[in-house]
Amino acid sequence: DAKTTQPPSMDCAEGRAANLPCNHSTISGNEYVYWYRQIHSQGPQYIIHGLKNNETNEMASLIITEDRKSSTLILPHATLRDTAVYYCIVSHRGRDDKIIFGKGTRLHILP
Amino acid sequence: DTAVSQTPKYLVTQMGNDKSIKCEQNLGHDTMYWYKQDSKKFLKIMFSYNNKELIINETVPNRFSPKSPDKAHLNLHINSLELGDSAVYFCASSQVGAGEQFFGPGTRLTVL
Repeated sequence: DAKTTQPPSMDCAEGRAANLPCNHSTISGNEYVYWYRQIHSQGPQYIIHGLKNNETNEMASLIITEDRKSSTLILPHATLRDTAVYYCIVSHRGRDDKIIFGKGTRLHILP
Repeated sequence: DTAVSQTPKYLVTQMGNDKSIKCEQNLGHDTMYWYKQDSKKFLKIMFSYNNKELIINETVPNRFSPKSPDKAHLNLHINSLELGDSAVYFCASSQVGAGEQFFGPGTRLTVL
């Protein structure tokens, strides 16, 4: 079972920042937080990951709370192409470790 | 350049047949995976291979047999196909120990 909790769906206006929350209250000290998204009918796409510091890349920013029990993925200027299911995943980084996809958040970007 | 490719994209077949799906990655990764996404859209890992060695083998019927001829390829052979095997199958790759996996476009398998 996935070890994260996400809202099933969210709406965001085009051009605004989309903030997607994730709860992972049972995360262990050496587990990373990963975010992926799946645009309709495509393979999942890796977005970003972090351990305890906030991270930013060309796609998004990841804000992890100090206690690491929750995080927020921020898409700074959402476009229609960001409409997708977003998955928050916690996982170790070992050879035997796997990422477990939950139900994710279906993000609708509204024109 | 396609990083992770799968063939075929669509596969329609009859119950009881045997079929294969091929996957190739040109990212130089040493770990490859197979996932199944059913009609309810749940994405579940089936297998992972690291340098041709089977690492993860989830509870998958033994009708499913992955084969890795080299670390750039991971094929999935399915024997005696059943209706419940209908799904989209995704291949992925990563560097060992990295959770950043790169997925292929998927193969939609329909068993009639």
